[in-house]
Amino acid sequence: EPEVTQTPSHQVTQMGQEVILRCVPISNHLYFYWYRQILGQKVEFLVSFYNNEISEKSEIFDDQFSVERPDGSNFTLKIRSTKLEDSAMYFCASSKGIRTGGGYTFGSGTRLTVV
Amino acid sequence: GDSVTQMEGPVTLSEEAFLTINCTYTATGYPSLFWYVQYPGEGLQLLLKATKADDKGSNKGFEATYRKETTSFHLEKGSVQVSDSAVYFCALSHNFNKFYFGSGTKLNVKP
Repeated sequence: EPEVTQTPSHQVTQMGQEVILRCVPISNHLYFYWYRQILGQKVEFLVSFYNNEISEKSEIFDDQFSVERPDGSNFTLKIRSTKLEDSAMYFCASSKGIRTGGGYTFGSGTRLTVV
Repeated sequence: GDSVTQMEGPVTLSEEAFLTINCTYTATGYPSLFWYVQYPGEGLQLLLKATKADDKGSNKGFEATYRKETTSFHLEKGSVQVSDSAVYFCALSHNFNKFYFGSGTKLNVKP
């Protein structure tokens, strides 16, 4: 069964450093997403991406965050200058389309620890 | 705004016990409702869904009914197995572009 692959599974970074989280969505999917879950809290929507641009973003997704699909297969989330409160599990997801939610699939997550 | 509240865990049950995990929601309009499951080391997997009021979603012995009058979507299973041990997330979505999740309920099933 097709999978959404996220790398790395764990990342530790120092406060103020840039970090890039990587995702390989399912190959025939067109919509891409990032969510995060701070320990003990809800899984929160960050951003959706379609046709090489952001289609929706949450208030969490401020100027410190950016997304990119650099090569047609990877989908990345960049945090420019990490803060302690960015420590969380980050989930990537992809789907064939909205309205039907066809094949909406999540990756296994990247645990980011900012020290 | 839209939100989902589910019972806190962990929930610990013996094998073959009856499971209920409560979920209530707040939303404008008529969202679709979902249960996702996360096994250790894996991603969030869709367990079941219901797209309108009174619909019952079911999969792998799990069931949940979309109750508009009580804004609830409680997850039930008649006889749990050790292999059901996982974290369960209730969620809603209006257009499948964005999901609102609860905080998850960890289920431990003991032999």
